[in-house]
Amino acid sequence: QVQLVQSGVEVKKPGASVQVSCKASGYTFTSYGISWVRQAPGQGLEWMGWISAYNYKTNYAQNFQGRVTMTIDLSSNTGKMELRSLTSDDTAVYYCARDRWDGTFDYWGQGTLVTVSS
Amino acid sequence: QSALSQPASVSGSPGQSITISCTGTSSDVGAYDYVSWYQHHPGKAPKLMIYDVTDRPSGVSNRFSGSKSGNTASLTISGLQPEDEADYYCNSYTSTSTVIFGGGTRLTVL
Repeated sequence: QVQLVQSGVEVKKPGASVQVSCKASGYTFTSYGISWVRQAPGQGLEWMGWISAYNYKTNYAQNFQGRVTMTIDLSSNTGKMELRSLTSDDTAVYYCARDRWDGTFDYWGQGTLVTVSS
Repeated sequence: QSALSQPASVSGSPGQSITISCTGTSSDVGAYDYVSWYQHHPGKAPKLMIYDVTDRPSGVSNRFSGSKSGNTASLTISGLQPEDEADYYCNSYTSTSTVIFGGGTRLTVL
């Protein structure tokens, strides 16, 4: 069965960077992409960007351009998302999702809570 | 780019039907049939309920249906059940090859 398992809770100080990983199993990894979506406390879902596991092509939301990097590790079928220059506004639950390429997120990771606090 | 527009809340009694709208522009909802709907219970991962405007993934109840007219997509839930109480989000592919979500709708089953 398809599974996406994310890394654990992170607590960071303002200005730091965070990396969240997403290990996929149960499907042909290179046939899909990985999108990253976050939800801040009391807010809605926000799409951050997408990476193809086939050719590593990325597409980032304008709000995160220059501050986010998404990568793929084919040796472990893992997607990774690094967010830099963190502020308290980045406190959120971060999800990875399997993405056909067009915003159809059919499987999701369990979510990773990232807290940014001094 | 602003979020797609959804009502903040809707409610209905068990057995009734409700419809949630999702309004975008000619650059997203109106441009492609790549609209999806997600059910989100607090503390859990979102769940895909509808994709490609009208299609249901395997295992999703046929009480859930989707449609689109122009720049507005809609999710209809018929025969409301208590477990349908959740937040619902639409999303759409856009002309800049990005994805945009709606602001979310809280469904209350009275």
